[in-house]
Amino acid sequence: EDKVVQSPLSLVVHEGDTVTLNCSYEVTNFRSLLWYKQEKKAPTFLFMLTSSGIEKKSGRLSSILDKKELFSILNITATQTGDSAIYLCAVEAPGNTGKLIFGQGTTLQVKP
Amino acid sequence: NAGVTQTPKFRILKIGQSMTLQCTQDMNHNYMYWYRQDPGMGLKLIYYSVGAGITDKGEVPNGYNVSRSTTEDFPLRLELAAPSQTSVYFCASSYVARGETQYFGPGTRLLVL
Repeated sequence: EDKVVQSPLSLVVHEGDTVTLNCSYEVTNFRSLLWYKQEKKAPTFLFMLTSSGIEKKSGRLSSILDKKELFSILNITATQTGDSAIYLCAVEAPGNTGKLIFGQGTTLQVKP
Repeated sequence: NAGVTQTPKFRILKIGQSMTLQCTQDMNHNYMYWYRQDPGMGLKLIYYSVGAGITDKGEVPNGYNVSRSTTEDFPLRLELAAPSQTSVYFCASSYVARGETQYFGPGTRLLVL
């Protein structure tokens, strides 16, 4: 059965800290891995990763994929209170359908 | 463009009642999806559609039905509501079958008591 597992499930840090969120997957014929940020509403797309070892970066956020070890990490440096959210990892299932398999999410709380 | 709209925003149902969650998109997208998100969990795919007249089951289809008579609309029907269907329901659409292109609606929060 295809599955996506995120860790930790929750995390509390202080502003300025750096955090690393983990996502491991077991999906046959993997197409891509996606990261989303969710703040009490619909998920907002952050990154799409398809190739191993190529870092995607947007401001203080960055992500990388390891297709050999079947995992991805999302790094957030110099965290701010506005980074408090649920971070979701999803893997696109094979086939031309766009179906996504989501992990449980990591709830990040950044304290002032 | 309104994007993806969902109605209602919030609803309370009694056990055994039925209802339809509405989803409409005005972007002429062929692909549409219904997800549910239980508290503290990620999203799970209920049903999806690759075009008008074509629907298929996702991970958790039991207790739900869908139809896709037009490109714009993709309603989700709950028959005989159960407490286990208490969740937030998100509809999404995309112009190609790629996950990163999915536009999510604002969600419908459903409470079954």
